[in-house]
Amino acid sequence: NAGVTQTPKFRVLKTGQSMTLLCAQDMNHEYMYWYRQDPGMGLRLIHYSVGEGTTAKGEVPDGYNVSRLKKQNFLLGLESAAPSQTSVYFCASSSLAGGSYEQYFGPGTRLTVT
Amino acid sequence: AQKITQTQPGMFVQEKEAVTLDCTYDTSDQSYGLFWYKQPSSGEMIFLIYQGSYDEQNATEGRYSLNFQKARKSANLVISASQLGDSAMYFCAMRVPPDSWGKFQFGAGTQVVVTP
Repeated sequence: NAGVTQTPKFRVLKTGQSMTLLCAQDMNHEYMYWYRQDPGMGLRLIHYSVGEGTTAKGEVPDGYNVSRLKKQNFLLGLESAAPSQTSVYFCASSSLAGGSYEQYFGPGTRLTVT
Repeated sequence: AQKITQTQPGMFVQEKEAVTLDCTYDTSDQSYGLFWYKQPSSGEMIFLIYQGSYDEQNATEGRYSLNFQKARKSANLVISASQLGDSAMYFCAMRVPPDSWGKFQFGAGTQVVVTP
């Protein structure tokens, strides 16, 4: 049971380049989330999904797009990377079951945009 | 709008002592959940403890306990008998259903350094 995995772990992009971050979970969770973490600001929600084929904007969605074609995968895309998108990106998932909606996090992706 | 505040950016604690990390929240909803996560220097987010707004007793998980004071809207984390491995960033988070779809609001975090 791998939990939540993220690919890649590290990436360096030049301004204007595009990339896709992949998140996969094997817990059959309904909900999935993408966060970014910047120093002194905690985690901020970029986009989230409440089920296959559905996505919604979070707190800081500009410059990002997402897709959830399969329940277990949640993709985060940067169409034209900017230095302001240098950050650590975390994917998380949670379930309706259990009541707490505890979020399980992936290991993170460290992205640097030069 | 909901808000989570952690007023302690960093603190030092001696090994084997207890430490309290402050967290206050603001919501007008009656039903909500409060969480604490630990982030060591390796970067992963580790779930520590959960408290539901209707839970009458404070949550405990091993050396972690959550001091829940509903009227004061505070959810402080207490770590008893600190260990060197407790050195990490600690985040408080809140979830407010039903429209939030499990979304969390995170505080800015508190950096804890445990010294021998």
